[in-house]
Amino acid sequence: GEDVEQSLFLSVREGDSSVINCTYTDSSSTYLYWYKQEPGAGLQLLTYIFSNMDMKQDQRLTVLLNKKDKHLSLRIADTQTGDSAIYFCAEFTGGGNKLTFGTGTQLKVEL
Amino acid sequence: DTAVSQTPKYLVTQMGNDKSIKCEQNLGHDTMYWYKQDSKKFLKIMFSYNNKELIINETVPNRFSPKSPDKAHLNLHINSLELGDSAVYFCASSQGRVVGNTIYFGEGSWLTVV
Repeated sequence: GEDVEQSLFLSVREGDSSVINCTYTDSSSTYLYWYKQEPGAGLQLLTYIFSNMDMKQDQRLTVLLNKKDKHLSLRIADTQTGDSAIYFCAEFTGGGNKLTFGTGTQLKVEL
Repeated sequence: DTAVSQTPKYLVTQMGNDKSIKCEQNLGHDTMYWYKQDSKKFLKIMFSYNNKELIINETVPNRFSPKSPDKAHLNLHINSLELGDSAVYFCASSQGRVVGNTIYFGEGSWLTVV
């Protein structure tokens, strides 16, 4: 199947780290992505990782990839209220012809 | 300049009507997509076009007809609208079909069928 699973909600305090998890099913996926969607807005590409990498860091964002377990995570350091949004992981499937999205994780940052 | 633009952003219409959503990209990309986001925020691909050729059609009812007059445009026409068609429709584009090319999304079109 092509199900990409995420937990639906995550609540953190401002200044803490957030970790959003994703489990995918297509072992042939070569690129995995994280997108952010703010309320009433479109999809913003945050970062991506190639499947031959275990980790990628981009300022406050750290992506970890465990290919054996097909597990992807996004860590946001020093989470701010502006980080409140829905976060989607996504993988290329179908021979690279389409992006399959996870179910989305609603991140709420509290003061 | 907006890279991927969709119009209209908001559309409220009655059941049974026919409506179109337009999409244009100025990135010079050759592949365009339509995605649907339902009320639970699930995002699923509907169609993909590469150089005006349909390459993905994900079991979408044939009331939905995409049209690509050129590789910079991919419009979505919906006939006989139903309540279940209410959703956010996202257009997107990328360069080529090669895995790893970044897909750029439009701001979305909020369709409400009453």
